[in-house]
Amino acid sequence: GQQVMQIPQYQHVQEGEDFTTYCNSSTTLSNIQWYKQRPGGHPVFLIQLVKSGEVKKQKRLTFQFGEAKKNSSLHITATQTTDVGTYFCAGAGGYQKVTFGTGTKLQVIP
Amino acid sequence: DGGITQSPKYLFRKEGQNVTLSCEQNLNHDAMYWYRQDPGQGLRLIYYSQIVNDFQKGDIAEGYSVSREKKESFPLTVTSAQKNPTAFYLCASSMGQGARGYTFGSGTRLTVV
Repeated sequence: GQQVMQIPQYQHVQEGEDFTTYCNSSTTLSNIQWYKQRPGGHPVFLIQLVKSGEVKKQKRLTFQFGEAKKNSSLHITATQTTDVGTYFCAGAGGYQKVTFGTGTKLQVIP
Repeated sequence: DGGITQSPKYLFRKEGQNVTLSCEQNLNHDAMYWYRQDPGQGLRLIYYSQIVNDFQKGDIAEGYSVSREKKESFPLTVTSAQKNPTAFYLCASSMGQGARGYTFGSGTRLTVV
């Protein structure tokens, strides 16, 4: 079945440093979504990427979809304490079945 | 405001008891989902429903049951057959089959005592 892995599992950064999480699928995806879950909260939809090689930006966040549509990345520039949380990717594969990645937990040290 | 409401926020269950978690949405979404999240882990799909009176098993359906009698409601019952039910349960909904993003409820934290 479709598997979606994320690395790293955990990341601690000093406030102001950059952060990147990577998402890899075992199968080609029709699209990929990214979610953020604050500590004690629920996942919140951030963005969806559909096209091969697509890059989208939301303020300090940059999302990229790989050319082969099997991998994706989320890059945060100059992290802030408000960026703390777990970031999940979710890939839509065959029959639009969505599989969530394992998540990357980000800690920002003030 | 439209959204998904899950209740209760915290639930304690004695071993051998069945409990039902409520999920209601007013987003007019066709599809609804139940996920389980264990500490430090990702989301695992329990059940999903794309239309009223129809639902399918997800990856970890054993020990759980659902119903979809109304478009707005998708309750989850955790039965005594679920051997390790302590977890955070998240309900979600989406337009279509979820390929355009899910809206999540605030979750129910279930603890077996």
